[in-house]
Amino acid sequence: GAGVSQSPSNKVTEKGKDVELRCDPISGHTALYWYRQRLGQGLEFLIYFQGNSAPDKSGLPSDRFSAERTGESVSTLTIQRTQQEDSAVYLCASSLIGASSLLIPTQYFGPGTRLTVL
Amino acid sequence: AQSVTQLGSHVSVSEGALVLLRCNYSSSVPPYLFWYVQYPNQGLQLLLKYTSAATLVKGINGFEAEFKKSETSFHLTKPSAHMSDAAEYFCAVSLFSGGYNKLIFGAGTRLAVHP
Repeated sequence: GAGVSQSPSNKVTEKGKDVELRCDPISGHTALYWYRQRLGQGLEFLIYFQGNSAPDKSGLPSDRFSAERTGESVSTLTIQRTQQEDSAVYLCASSLIGASSLLIPTQYFGPGTRLTVL
Repeated sequence: AQSVTQLGSHVSVSEGALVLLRCNYSSSVPPYLFWYVQYPNQGLQLLLKYTSAATLVKGINGFEAEFKKSETSFHLTKPSAHMSDAAEYFCAVSLFSGGYNKLIFGAGTRLAVHP
């Protein structure tokens, strides 16, 4: 596709339920990122994928959060046993490369998924 | 460690007035700096980026930013505000750590433009 897409655009769930958020990056982009944006705050880095592997998962807020990427394209962020503090907009971004100290590729963002936990 | 501070969570200007959004960074290495804009219910769009070439960087929609190493600043400006500029603006610095790049964002500045 022309840009990064995310689904669903909005998700309302009850506390304790599991949710899955999907990201389709720009075709050919090997690097994929997940960020969280809480109301009135900046973006908080969650996880980075280079291809299908995630070298650093330390940004994930708790062990209830997990992410995977298959086929060097689609990525899924899963939140288990959701809590009210998980309510936020979850943004996905992709770039051509991610692992270089010399080349700083532009990250292209999707429209986000707004998660509301009741 | 890299960090970004945006002064002023809300800025309000009149249409046609100068827009100045402030960003200061902290970095132990020469930084790569970005400004992104987020329109309501949309993702982030890159306005401009500084990658150690020219210190004055021109971006889309008439915006520009100047990198000042002595002041550790990367303020965003536009000579004349349009109503369509109303949005949230984020300054970010690129951090290369653990073998990959990630962006460290400021808290954002919401720009309001009134007639």
